[in-house]
Amino acid sequence: DADVTQTPRNRITKTGKRIMLECSQTKGHDRMYWYRQDPGLGLQLIYYSFDVKDINKGEISDGYSVSRQAQAKFSLSLESAIPNQTALYFCATSDGREVETQYFGPGTRLLVL
Amino acid sequence: KQEVTQIPAALSVPEGENLVLNCSFTDSAIYNLQWFRQDPGKGLTSLLLIQSSQREQTSGRLNASLDKSSGRSTLYIAASQPGDSATYLCAVDPMDSSYKLIFGSGTRLLVRP
Repeated sequence: DADVTQTPRNRITKTGKRIMLECSQTKGHDRMYWYRQDPGLGLQLIYYSFDVKDINKGEISDGYSVSRQAQAKFSLSLESAIPNQTALYFCATSDGREVETQYFGPGTRLLVL
Repeated sequence: KQEVTQIPAALSVPEGENLVLNCSFTDSAIYNLQWFRQDPGKGLTSLLLIQSSQREQTSGRLNASLDKSSGRSTLYIAASQPGDSATYLCAVDPMDSSYKLIFGSGTRLLVRP
């Protein structure tokens, strides 16, 4: 079984709709991250969390919110989706030890019409 | 602000060739640099991690080098195979307090049979 899972894997929605992307991990890591990737661009950090009570904004947090429901779960919400939020979204985890190695989920492909 | 650049954006080579992917970064104050592989429909997989005190790391047919002073890293792939076709991203772990990876935009590699 995969260590980091994301649901849904693909989603098509309309402008103005609220949607939630979910991430679960079985690695027992404290740190979790949400990134988006646009074609031809690298990954940009949306939000990150170092433990259940910790939420931090990344580079591009506007239009997004997150919830860390448990150590193993980190959800990303788009309150009112817009077309330029069409992208590939990745969740990642790390154990926060000396070396920052992150483990990535398979991604969610989101299309906002 | 740390910026990471990867050249070329895309590369197509015949099977069996040795090839080099390039990564440059603007701020040498990093803990480490990582090379990731991204396959379509899958998340990122860490290939090699070079600590700031190291010059290179090797794994099988892959060799990554790091020159902090010049802000450059290379990923050398020996005897390329069609299965090496993927997008390769480099990322740095900067020494500021942001605890996040800064990614390049990737090089899309196609190895032709």
